[in-house]
Amino acid sequence: SQTIHQWPATLVQPVGSPLSLECTVEGTSNPNLYWYRQAAGRGLQLLFYSVGIGQISSEVPQNLSASRPQDRQFILSSKKLLLSDSGFYLCAWSVLGNTIYFGEGSWLTVV
Amino acid sequence: DAKTTQPNSMESNEEEPVHLPCNHSTISGTDYIHWYRQLPSQGPEYVIHGLTSNVNNRMASLAIAEDRKSSTLILHRATLRDAAVYYCILRDSYGGSQGNLIFGKGTKLSVKP
Repeated sequence: SQTIHQWPATLVQPVGSPLSLECTVEGTSNPNLYWYRQAAGRGLQLLFYSVGIGQISSEVPQNLSASRPQDRQFILSSKKLLLSDSGFYLCAWSVLGNTIYFGEGSWLTVV
Repeated sequence: DAKTTQPNSMESNEEEPVHLPCNHSTISGTDYIHWYRQLPSQGPEYVIHGLTSNVNNRMASLAIAEDRKSSTLILHRATLRDAAVYYCILRDSYGGSQGNLIFGKGTKLSVKP
């Protein structure tokens, strides 16, 4: 069966510090991968999606970047965090056109 | 992107059926109707999806209007664990950027004991 893991689950980072959130998927090949963000009390916003290794599409301009160094690995990064980067970050995967499955999420607080 | 419209919130009593409506008047012929729900502090969870015909699974039923411009998620007997935000989303069947899930604000369902 397929599983998705993302970490860390929670982190508190100072403004201006770097960020790295990692996500891995097991049990499937060549999945579409996604990063979403949910600010407090708001809906989910799609940040990045990837249809293959090294292929990243950004949905909104922002202070973040994403990379896909391996087929089932998706990394969300920032060189310098802003207060507005705080939120609940979710990694997700799907096989083309099918159901999207979400990870447990990572709570980021920028202070 | 085709948009969906849902009520901001709904209330239900435990053990009673719940009908969550969704309007999607600009739906295209290749759009599937997906429903997800999100419990507090968790990632969204798939509930059900359909294209034209009504669908049933162990979690819920999906009733799709004949013109596909609206749909209703039906929880047959609400439990306290069903309290969540329910998202109705259109997803293109061809995938790629058109197949991405674009979430709206959803309907916050409260279930009273």
